[in-house]
Parts: sequence; C-alpha cells; structure tokens
Amino acid sequence: GENVEQHPSTLSVQEGDSAVIKCTYSDSASNYFPWYKQELGKRPQLIIDIRSNVGEKKDQRIAVTLNKTAKHFSLHITETQPEDSAVYFCAASISGGYNKLIFGAGTRLAVHP
Amino acid sequence: DGGITQSPKYLFRKEGQNVTLSCEQNLNHDAMYWYRQDPGQGLRLIYYSQIVNDFQKGDIAEGYSVSREKKESFPLTVTSAQKNPTAFYLCASAPGGETQYFGPGTRLLVL
Repeated sequence: GENVEQHPSTLSVQEGDSAVIKCTYSDSASNYFPWYKQELGKRPQLIIDIRSNVGEKKDQRIAVTLNKTAKHFSLHITETQPEDSAVYFCAASISGGYNKLIFGAGTRLAVHP
Repeated sequence: DGGITQSPKYLFRKEGQNVTLSCEQNLNHDAMYWYRQDPGQGLRLIYYSQIVNDFQKGDIAEGYSVSREKKESFPLTVTSAQKNPTAFYLCASAPGGETQYFGPGTRLLVL
C-alpha cells in the first residue's frame, strides 16, 4: 500500500527565513497531494494542494513542488512569520474510488521572532 | 470546514464502556472519514464511507464501529475492545473530489 515519509520532523527558523518540508511517496499511481497545517489542539486546515498534472503551485508565501519521477513533493514557505508556527502534514492519495489519504508523520515548524 | 461539527469536545470513558462520537456535516459531501491522532503523531484512518449504508475499514479499525444511515451523519463507536482509546479523534468529509475538510475533533480520555 501507499506510504508517505516526511522530513524533517522538527524545523526551527528565524522570522523572515524560508522553510522547506519534503515528502516522498511510494505508490506511483498517487495523483493528489494536499498539505495541512495544524495548530495546537485544533483541526488540520488545508493550506495548498497539487495534482500530478502540475509541477508547481503557488499561493502568496506558500508553494508546493512535485517531482513525479522521483516521487517526492515539497512545501516551501517564504518570509516566515511567527504565526506560521504549527505542525504541517503532507498526504497522498489516488483519485477515484474512496480517495484514501495517506498522511506523513508531520513536521513541527517553529518560527522565532 | 465550518459545516462539519463534532461532539462532544471532550469525552471520558470508563473501563469496559462503549462510547459514541458524533460527526455531522451540512456540506452535502458524499464521503466521510474518521481518523485517530495520538500525541506528536500523524493521522491514521479508522473508517471511511463514500455513500449512505456503505463504509470500509481503514488501517486501524479494530475496536471501532461506524454507521452511515444518513448522508449528513457518520458516528463512531469506540468499543470496549479498543484497549488504548485515549487519542484525538478527527472526522472529515469530502465532496466528489479528493479534498478533505476536518471537523474540530473530540478528545477521548480514559478514567
């Protein structure tokens, strides 16, 4: 079955720096890759997603890149702010059927003022 | 995701007791999901349902049961067979596509 590995598990940056979180997936049939942000004690919130027919997608300070050949995708956050501090989860799924999402283990991002 | 509600926010279970967690959505989404999250860990799929009266086991279904009698509702029962139920339980729903939206969660604690 599908497996998603996420690195690093923790990431500490200074305010204004960039942060990059990387995920690899095992099933080459996966074609949908969302990223969720979860603040302490809250629900995961979708921040950006990408489908396999696209190599890169941007939304203001957030971007996601996808390398289908290498089976990995990355989240890039530029000009980080303290409110970016949270746990970020990547996920992968195969469209159609029940659309099961397989999640990575999460990255705890700390942005220091 | 404001259209997905979960109750209660906190739930306490005694030894040998079955408890039921509620999940309701008014988004007219077809698919609904239950996840378990342990401290410092990712989300693991318990059960999922694509349509009314149909559901499938996820990766950690043992000790749990669900029903899907209405499109809007997908309750999860944690049975006495689940020996380590303490966790944060998240319900999600999705329209016909892939994007899943999460409810606020229920924190289950064992007395």
